[in-house]
Amino acid sequence: KNEVEQSPQNLTAQEGEFITINCSYSVGISALHWLQQHPGGGIVSLFMLSSGKKKHGRLIATINIQEKHSSLHITASHPRDSAVYICAVRSVNRDDKIIFGKGTRLHILP
Amino acid sequence: DAGITQSPRHKVTETGTPVTLRCHQTENHRYMYWYRQDPGHGLRLIHYSYGVKDTDKGEVSDGYSVSRSKTEDFLLTLESATSSQTSVYFCAISKQGYGYTFGSGTRLTVV
Repeated sequence: KNEVEQSPQNLTAQEGEFITINCSYSVGISALHWLQQHPGGGIVSLFMLSSGKKKHGRLIATINIQEKHSSLHITASHPRDSAVYICAVRSVNRDDKIIFGKGTRLHILP
Repeated sequence: DAGITQSPRHKVTETGTPVTLRCHQTENHRYMYWYRQDPGHGLRLIHYSYGVKDTDKGEVSDGYSVSRSKTEDFLLTLESATSSQTSVYFCAISKQGYGYTFGSGTRLTVV
């Protein structure tokens, strides 16, 4: 079993819909990251969380440390939000290394 | 991305040849990482560095070596390239307690 699991793997939605991407992990962590990768490659760091909730524009990230779960929400989704969203955790159990989920491919239809 | 550059962006090489990828940062960050990204696997750590001349192996280090003789440069070398090393390679930098900044990636094809 992967130490970081994301769901869904693929998501297609209509423009304007509220989007939720989930991340569950099985290791102790010092921080959790959400990353965005557009087609063609570049990876951008969206959030780093160790507790609670963070908001940036239409993006909201939450984390529940007790349940080892995080969610990334996108409000009023737009076609330009189409990308792969990657959850990554900084593990305290493995020399502080980062463990990545396999990503969620989001496609927003106009 | 600002503060971190990878070179080359694309490379095609023949099986058995050595290849070196370069990651250069201007942020003076201590930590630097090399990852490879393959369909179905996500990002996997090859090697990382926590300072000049301080490096360690990641989960997929076989066939790769690294060097960091200056804070700003982290080199990844494929000693003898194989087709299984065809991949997209990303360099990343971080400052402890903060987030990560990724390079734009190097698409390597071994034929």
